[in-house]
Amino acid sequence: GNSVTQMEGPVTLSEEAFLTINCTYTATGYPSLFWYVQYPGEGLQLLLKATKADDKGSNKGFEATYRKETTSFHLEKGSVQVSDSAVYFCALSDRRDDKIIFGKGTRLHILP
Amino acid sequence: DTAVSQTPKYLVTQMGNDKSIKCEQNLGHDTMYWYKQDSKKFLKIMFSYNNKELIINETVPNRFSPKSPDKAHLNLHINSLELGDSAVYFCASSQGLIYGYTFGSGTRLTVV
Repeated sequence: GNSVTQMEGPVTLSEEAFLTINCTYTATGYPSLFWYVQYPGEGLQLLLKATKADDKGSNKGFEATYRKETTSFHLEKGSVQVSDSAVYFCALSDRRDDKIIFGKGTRLHILP
Repeated sequence: DTAVSQTPKYLVTQMGNDKSIKCEQNLGHDTMYWYKQDSKKFLKIMFSYNNKELIINETVPNRFSPKSPDKAHLNLHINSLELGDSAVYFCASSQGLIYGYTFGSGTRLTVV
């Protein structure tokens, strides 16, 4: 079945550091890919998405490119801020699915 | 104007009690979901409804019963609460999986 694997956390960085959170997926079809962010005490928010190969999703300085050849959708940001501290979830949906499948989440701590 | 609203935000109750969590969305979406998030942030789907019809009913104890009086509402009733039911419960809605979900802010259930 379809699945998502993302790097385990926690990830701790200093402010203004470069961020990469790795995500790879397994899917039988051509899935849509998502990154969600969950700030402390809040629900998940859609951060960005991509619906086909080579698409790049971007929002709030974060980017991720849909790489079909490596089945990956890594999240990147050039300069993180303390306010980026949160849990990040990679996810996918396939037209044959009836739900979105989430990775286990990666907790990110940014130190001032 | 909250898009997906859940009530209550916090719920503390004793073992054996029966409780309900309510969810409403004003986005006009056809499909609504209930997810359970454990202490390690792992998200597990419980139920989904499409326009009042049950679509997903994962392996969840019979003590959990969803009800959808109309497509804008999806409530979750839990009978005979157990310690292991303690978690954060999220409601979400979608107008198509390619667009992703919109989540509520969650209900933190604590069973004592």
